[in-house]
Amino acid sequence: DAKTTQPTSMDCAEGRAANLPCNHSTISGNEYVYWYRQIHSQGPQYIIHGLKNNETNEMASLIITEDRKSSTLILPHATLRDTAVYYCIVRVARGYQKVTFGTGTKLQVIP
Amino acid sequence: EAQVTQNPRYLITVTGKKLTVTCSQNMNHEYMSWYRQDPGLGLRQIYYSMNVEVTDKGDVPEGYKVSRKEKRNFPLILESPSPNQTSLYFCASSLAPVRPSGANVLTFGAGSRLTVL
Repeated sequence: DAKTTQPTSMDCAEGRAANLPCNHSTISGNEYVYWYRQIHSQGPQYIIHGLKNNETNEMASLIITEDRKSSTLILPHATLRDTAVYYCIVRVARGYQKVTFGTGTKLQVIP
Repeated sequence: EAQVTQNPRYLITVTGKKLTVTCSQNMNHEYMSWYRQDPGLGLRQIYYSMNVEVTDKGDVPEGYKVSRKEKRNFPLILESPSPNQTSLYFCASSLAPVRPSGANVLTFGAGSRLTVL
């Protein structure tokens, strides 16, 4: 059973912010939210993660709702190189578990 | 360079011919896992391992075997491959931190594209 649900696809204009939603309504108190992206058929790459506070790094920002049932990944200024499939997963800190990725969101950045 | 190495990257084989896809990581990670990726189905976990000699089934383990005799290696074995195992396979690894920090980021290999005729 998928623990997260994401829209199948989204478009974003180059230079604009891309906001990718993720629903994780059954998240447990000790589970973190992680985001990865996969460009073409390469191995997925880590972007950002968080528990309950908003997080920002050099790649993106992560906004987690107060009830932790959903989150949004924000790419502040999307470029053509951000065209990829984005996966949202939940995982406990110690990582001793199955990890379900689901089908992700295909983000197309349009010139 | 910290990395997960998979071999072979590409393989075409025939039904029933046993094959092994190797996976090795140089980051001293405890957790290792295998995924398959098929069009429209996303990444599905096949097996995972918490440490040496400790493995467990993921969501799609049928037709696969794994072993974890050394911490750095986690080979995926197809004893009798069938055409429905034609797929893109990824190996991934991560730390299992003693303190809950959330920093157990998965590092993926480059993938192995397998075709079974």
